[in-house]
Amino acid sequence: GENVEQHPSTLSVQEGDSAVIKCTYSDSASNYFPWYKQELGKRPQLIIDIRSNVGEKKDQRIAVTLNKTAKHFSLHITETQPEDSAVYFCAALRAGTYKYIFGTGTRLKVLA
Amino acid sequence: GAVVSQHPSWVICKSGTSVKIECRSLDFQATTMFWYRQFPKQSLMLMATSNEGSKATYEQGVEKDKFLINHASLTLSTLTVTSAHPEDSSFYICSARAHGTGEGQAFFGQGTRLTVV
Repeated sequence: GENVEQHPSTLSVQEGDSAVIKCTYSDSASNYFPWYKQELGKRPQLIIDIRSNVGEKKDQRIAVTLNKTAKHFSLHITETQPEDSAVYFCAALRAGTYKYIFGTGTRLKVLA
Repeated sequence: GAVVSQHPSWVICKSGTSVKIECRSLDFQATTMFWYRQFPKQSLMLMATSNEGSKATYEQGVEKDKFLINHASLTLSTLTVTSAHPEDSSFYICSARAHGTGEGQAFFGQGTRLTVV
């Protein structure tokens, strides 16, 4: 079946450094790739997304890149801040469906 | 963005009782809602897709008689955990897609932490 692999499972960075989280999807029919940030006990919040007709998207300190050939997409956070500490989930959505396949999550810790 | 409200945010119940969780889209209509279960430090696992006016579609391994889903209107879906047991303790989250929005974007409820004692 479809699955999304996410790495690393945990990531610690110093404040101000960059953080990169990578995901690989299996379903070549996937065409929408959102990233969610989830703080402890709270709902996942969409932070950025990318569609399959785009290779890169940036929003201030956050960027996402997509390599359709390799079926990889990555989240890049620059100039990390302590408030970036959370669990991040990637997801893939197959065209024509509403069924998200979530990655296993990355616990990011930004050390002050 | 669109708002999805989930209630209650936490509940403690005795083993053998049933618990109902509500998921409401506050400012949009949602023909489809999704119910997820999340264990500590794990990802969101889709349990079922709730379709307004028809039966829910359950994922493999999810007992439909144990997790009853009702989607009676375009703004409300409910999940009832029947005859709850301690192993049903988990964080349950719903999501909804706003009807007519661009493909893909989903909004999540705040989640319900269920503890069965």
